Amino acid sequence: KQEVTQIPAALSVPEGENLVLNCSFTDSAIYNLQWFRQDPGKGLTSLLLIQSSQREQTSGRLNASLDKSSGRSTLYIAASQPGDSATYLCAVLSGGYQKVTFGTGTKLQVIP
Amino acid sequence: GAVVSQHPSWVICKSGTSVKIECRSLDFQATTMFWYRQFPKKSLMLMATSNEGSKATYEQGVEKDKFLINHASLTLSTLTVTSAHPEDSSFYICSARWREGRPDTQYFGPGTRLTVL
Repeated sequence: KQEVTQIPAALSVPEGENLVLNCSFTDSAIYNLQWFRQDPGKGLTSLLLIQSSQREQTSGRLNASLDKSSGRSTLYIAASQPGDSATYLCAVLSGGYQKVTFGTGTKLQVIP
Repeated sequence: GAVVSQHPSWVICKSGTSVKIECRSLDFQATTMFWYRQFPKKSLMLMATSNEGSKATYEQGVEKDKFLINHASLTLSTLTVTSAHPEDSSFYICSARWREGRPDTQYFGPGTRLTVL
């Protein structure tokens, strides 16, 4: 059974700082990994999708990497802004039935 | 492209009533849709897999008579919470699988917040 863990559970940084969020998964046989953002009381906003054959994806200030063999992914946020404050979830598509397993989330607060 | 909508976005109902939530893939056909539930301050948990034209597959611990799923067309799946109680209050999100090319990708709806009084 796939298990996805995110560390840290919460993070508070001053504005302008670069930061890294971590995601680890137990079964490396994945199809893809996706990073989402969720604002309080809101739905999911897809940030980056990395296919199993890829090692990283970039969008603006965001960069996500994938190391399947070690079961890890990182989301790098450059020059953080208060608007980046949200909960970040990683999700892994894996298994014969191709189910998505979500991580526990990292709650990010960027302080002005 | 690849937009998934949910309706309603939020609903408040009295205990004992039934509530129907719709999930639609707007610009693609989805033979498979998924329903997730998010408890407060928790991550999303898969409830069931909805297959067009056949019965849904429920995850362990999810009551199929409580959470009725119907996938009547390639663009619509519905989740009905029957005889809702306050403990059913939660955030429900659906996703639809898009199989254009490979590999598959799931696109998520915006979610529906259910509050049972």
